[in-house]
Amino acid sequence: EDKVVQSPLSLVVHEGDTVTLNCSYEVTNFRSLLWYKQEKKAPTFLFMLTSSGIEKKSGRLSSILDKKELFSILNITATQTGDSAVYLCAVEAAYKYIFGTGTRLKVLA
Amino acid sequence: SQTIHQWPATLVQPVGSPLSLECTVEGTSNPNLYWYRQAAGRGLQLLFYSVGIGQISSEVPQNLSASRPQDRQFILSSKKLLLSDSGFYLCAWGGGSYEQYFGPGTRLTVT
Repeated sequence: EDKVVQSPLSLVVHEGDTVTLNCSYEVTNFRSLLWYKQEKKAPTFLFMLTSSGIEKKSGRLSSILDKKELFSILNITATQTGDSAVYLCAVEAAYKYIFGTGTRLKVLA
Repeated sequence: SQTIHQWPATLVQPVGSPLSLECTVEGTSNPNLYWYRQAAGRGLQLLFYSVGIGQISSEVPQNLSASRPQDRQFILSSKKLLLSDSGFYLCAWGGGSYEQYFGPGTRLTVT
């Protein structure tokens, strides 16, 4: 059965800290891995990764995929209170997307 | 650029009533379309996906159905709502190694 597992489930940090969120997967017909940020509304797209070892970067956020070990990490540096959200990882496999349950990040001022 | 619309934004319906949620996409043709449900404090559950007009794949057997009458229109329906149908319903487009984007969602409360 296809599955996506995210860790940790929740995380509390202080502004300025760096965090690393993890996503591991077991799926057949892997096509891509996606990261989303969800506040109290629809998820917002962050990154899509298809190739191993190539880092995607956007401001303080970056992500990388390891297709051999079947995992991805999302890094957030110099965290701000506005980074507080649930971060979702999803894997596309043969037209379908399998989502992890998310990591809830809270950044304290 | 592509835009995805969903309506209504919120909905309160009694148990046993019918449901129709609509999703439309602009700025692209022949998109893959998806319906998800997110229960309070839970992850996203894929309900249906469609790779073309009239082509619907169901992921979870339940009292919901989906239809795709036009290329960029995706409809989620139910004949009789259950309490367990409450949740945040999200339409999305993308897939096939393209990025997937979500619409604004509909918060459904079944009373």
